[in-house]
Amino acid sequence: QQPVQSPQAVILREGEDAVINCSSSKALYSVHWYRQKHGEAPVFLMILLKGGEQKGHDKISASFNEKKQQSSLYLTASQLSYSGTYFCGTAGGCNFNKFYFGSGTKLNVKP
Amino acid sequence: GAGVSQSPSNKVTEKGKDVELRCDPISGHTALYWYRQSLGQGLEFLIYFQGNSAPDKSGLPSDRFSAERTGGSVSTLTIQRTQQEDSAVYLCASRPGVGTGGTEAFFGQGTRLTVV
Repeated sequence: QQPVQSPQAVILREGEDAVINCSSSKALYSVHWYRQKHGEAPVFLMILLKGGEQKGHDKISASFNEKKQQSSLYLTASQLSYSGTYFCGTAGGCNFNKFYFGSGTKLNVKP
Repeated sequence: GAGVSQSPSNKVTEKGKDVELRCDPISGHTALYWYRQSLGQGLEFLIYFQGNSAPDKSGLPSDRFSAERTGGSVSTLTIQRTQQEDSAVYLCASRPGVGTGGTEAFFGQGTRLTVV
């Protein structure tokens, strides 16, 4: 039930791009992306709903392919502030009863 | 309150003691979740409340763990006879509720539990 994230860790130089993937063995209603910095609570980035939508703000965007039960988070021209652990959360229904998170992807952006 | 509030922020307890962790969700949020995060690990789902009922307790790791929610607001996670492997950060999250699957979950700052 827990979505699978890949890669587990990424090291980037400032300005480089990264893609984080999230896949589920179950049908998905929505995919949520969060970022957690060390010692802090996870912070919401964006939600993607069924319909294959793509969203983005600033240089962070995401896509959701419900047929493949996959979502990808795209970070372009990475900044130092992007460092942290990224989690995808998946819900199987609109009632959100079961909301599971992946194991996380640790992103380290270096100068 | 303005956000999800958890208390205490830190708790050190002796092995075998019981502990209670508290979560005060955002006012009006009917859905409440508890997660456990071990050092450097992901978010392990523990339990979900809709109002005062817990339709999904499947994530509770053992019968030493229990949770309740009263008045559709504050929730308490109780761990009895704590073990060292219970050491982790316990995070609470809330969201508006049923039929709002497209809305974000708001997290508290967590309670860091250390069992010595």
